[in-house]
Amino acid sequence: DTEVTQTPKHLVMGMTNKKSLKCEQHMGHRAMYWYKQKAKKPPELMFVYSYEKLSINESVPSRFSPECPNSSLLNLHLHALQPEDSALYLCASSQDWAESSYEQYFGPGTRLTVT
Amino acid sequence: AQSVTQPDIHITVSEGASLELRCNYSYGATPYLFWYVQSPGQGLQLLLKYFSGDTLVQGIKGFEAEFKRSQSSFNLRKPSVHWSDAAEYFCAVATGSGGGADGLTFGKGTHLIIQP
Repeated sequence: DTEVTQTPKHLVMGMTNKKSLKCEQHMGHRAMYWYKQKAKKPPELMFVYSYEKLSINESVPSRFSPECPNSSLLNLHLHALQPEDSALYLCASSQDWAESSYEQYFGPGTRLTVT
Repeated sequence: AQSVTQPDIHITVSEGASLELRCNYSYGATPYLFWYVQSPGQGLQLLLKYFSGDTLVQGIKGFEAEFKRSQSSFNLRKPSVHWSDAAEYFCAVATGSGGGADGLTFGKGTHLIIQP
């Protein structure tokens, strides 16, 4: 099984809402990632979790709050977002040792629209 | 910092014709390089990767790529494209030193159009 699943597929939220994105993998990977992809742009790294600990935060605003409850799950909690945060949010996972850590498997993404 | 450049924003190829997508990297040591494909509204699928060793790497869906250190390039090729190959293609480089989980830095992408 090389699948990373993400829910929901689509999300529309107002600027005062609180919502969460969910990502799940059952490949035994110990590293998980959040990327943000604006329309017609490449993905940009947001966060990296390694063995359920946050290892990289690419200076992401605090209105995005990641959480890794266990090695299979990754959440992204959203609060007080801005319209410019509308994007495709991609989750990925990989092993976490040497070169294997770079072979990342991506989920289908959550299309977020902030109104 | 590591980076990749994809010089072609759009490429149009006739179905059945050969394809080459260009990627140039900037990195002092041997980079870890990847090609991903993304269909509209979808996630990214790994086509192939280069870590070391044989400079010609084979991937899925009939794609291959050649690592050329002298030209700092990692171009993607396919001998005969199919209409289903129409998608966005991203070249990527690993941003770390191989010691653990790190991110990928992507090129801006090349949009492949297949004409009948």
